Amino acid sequence: DTGVSQDPRHKITKRGQNVTFRCDPISEHNRLYWYRQTLGQGPEFLTYFQNEAQLEKSRLLSDRFSAERPKGSFSTLEIQRTEQGDSAMYLCASSSGPTTGELFFGEGSRLTVL
Amino acid sequence: DQQVKQNSPSLSVQEGRISILNCDYTNSMFDYFLWYKKYPAEGPTFLISISSIKDKNEDGRFTVFLNKSAKHLSLHIVPSQPGDSAVYFCAASPLAGSARQLTFGSGTQLTVLP
Repeated sequence: DTGVSQDPRHKITKRGQNVTFRCDPISEHNRLYWYRQTLGQGPEFLTYFQNEAQLEKSRLLSDRFSAERPKGSFSTLEIQRTEQGDSAMYLCASSSGPTTGELFFGEGSRLTVL
Repeated sequence: DQQVKQNSPSLSVQEGRISILNCDYTNSMFDYFLWYKKYPAEGPTFLISISSIKDKNEDGRFTVFLNKSAKHLSLHIVPSQPGDSAVYFCAASPLAGSARQLTFGSGTQLTVLP
């Protein structure tokens, strides 16, 4: 399978706990994105990496959120001290460059905060 | 403030007929537009795009129309097939050909009835 893969697919946690999601992009893609999608809404941009450099962060990304992409390959998104409002689908996407604007999305990691 | 709006949450069409999905935007800086399709339990997949220098782009059964003066775009699917049943998101970017910060609409659920 050469698509974008995300792990875990579903995470249930209690409020106040920390969670971490992992994304493995398509291997030849140097750009990686995190989006968040809540029920009835479209995906919302969180952050963007080009290789290992985090080039953009949305104001949605509070200081409880941190994303990394060591070595420019896989990426992790950590949420500290989770709140119920963090419950959402976290989508990772990758692309090979700006030529078409097309993103390749993974299946997402669904977070439920109790 | 939603910069990309899809005012119809759902649309039902008979197989073989035309499906027309609409999208409005407010940000005049947007100049690149995309449509994504999403099946349940899958990530969004790219469908078709259009740059602001064009008013129409066609790919097989799918055609996207852009009316810049009205800040409106539409996706036409003809003929519609049951396999087209999915949620359709329109998205916009301020940089032509860039996926760096796509802004998505809230989606339209298309159901194609056999």
